[in-house]
Parts: sequence; C-alpha cells; structure tokens
Amino acid sequence: TQLLEQSPQFLSIQEGENLTVYCNSSSVFSSLQWYRQEPGEGPVLLVTVVTGGEVKKLKRLTFQFGDARKDSSLHITAAQPGDTGLYLCAGKAGNNRKLIWGLGTSLAVNP
Amino acid sequence: SAVISQKPSRDICQRGTSLTIQCQVDSQVTMMFWYRQQPGQSLTLIATANQGSEATYESGFVIDKFPISRPNLTFSTLTVSNMSPEDSSIYLCSVEHRMNTEAFFGQGTRLTVV
Repeated sequence: TQLLEQSPQFLSIQEGENLTVYCNSSSVFSSLQWYRQEPGEGPVLLVTVVTGGEVKKLKRLTFQFGDARKDSSLHITAAQPGDTGLYLCAGKAGNNRKLIWGLGTSLAVNP
Repeated sequence: SAVISQKPSRDICQRGTSLTIQCQVDSQVTMMFWYRQQPGQSLTLIATANQGSEATYESGFVIDKFPISRPNLTFSTLTVSNMSPEDSSIYLCSVEHRMNTEAFFGQGTRLTVV
C-alpha cells in the first residue's frame, strides 16, 4: 500500500511564528503537490514539485521535495491568520494513475 | 486551471432519500473524480467517472449506493442513494490537468442526513 504520512495532524500557533509540515512515504513519487483548503471550499493547489531536491517558494511558503522523491516539506515563515486552513499533500507514485493523499494538517494561526 | 461548478453547495436530507450532486467543468477533461471528506480530514476517493462507460469504484464503494453519470467530457453527477446519517459528509468533484498530475476541485457539497 502506498501511503503518504503527513505530520503534524494539528497545529495551533501564534501569528508571526514559523512552522513546518512534513509529508513522508516509503514510495518514490513522480510528482507531489500541496493544497490548502478553507472551510466550505474545495482544496486549492499551491504548488507541484517534480524534481528531487527541488525547492519552490510562494511568498512566505517554501516547499521542498526530497532528493529521493519520497518526502516533502512545507515551511511557512511568519505565519498570519490568513494561513489558517487544512494543508494536504498528494502525489502520484510509479504507474499509479490515482492521487495518493496525506491525512492533512489542520493549521490555526491565532492573532 | 479549470473552473468547476458543483451544486448544491449544501443540503439537509431525510434518511432513506437520495441526493444527486452535479459537477460542471468549463473545459473538456478526461479524468473526473468524486471524493468524500469528513470536515478537517483528508480525502477518500469514491470513484473515477468515465465518459462513455461505467464508473470505476474504489474499495468500499458500490454503484448501487453511489451511482455516477458522465454523459460528456464536461459534466458528471454523483447520487447518494438511500441515505443514512453515516453518509453525512462533504462530497467533492475533481478534475485533473497537466498530464494528469494536478487536481482541481469544486467547492464541495456538504450533506447532512437526519
């Protein structure tokens, strides 16, 4: 079974703090995406990483793909209340055409 | 990206009834999917909606309970049949683009069965 282990599951921090969310697997992924979901909405794609060792930045968000393409991280610098939401990683491994989803990280940034 | 319109956005239904959820995409797509999600939790794939053939269901989901239609490349429906309170959940329609790697979602249907 191909799994994506995502941690932490819950995170509550104060505005201005930094945080990192991790997504790990024993499988090699051809691509991996990060999504953010707000209440009452569907997940929205933040980034796709495809190359081992790749680093992408989106304003205060930094995404890394592990060299072996088995893990990824999302780092948020100086978190703001607007960052509050459910963060999900998802990816495709091998010849599997279906997306495999992490369990999600529910982030609350308190003002 | 794709713009996906899903309706209804929410509904409260009596047990034993059925609800049909519609998903309309602004462009032709090959792959359409239906997911279920408990609030604050991850996504569980129900089925892949195939145009011109029967949907492909994941383990634990059956056509009699979740019949799916896909009459063309821009539209699909999911019916939740003979509902029970255990069916209360968020149902999401999704399509994939860019060589089938990136997923785009409708806003979801929040279903409560009483």
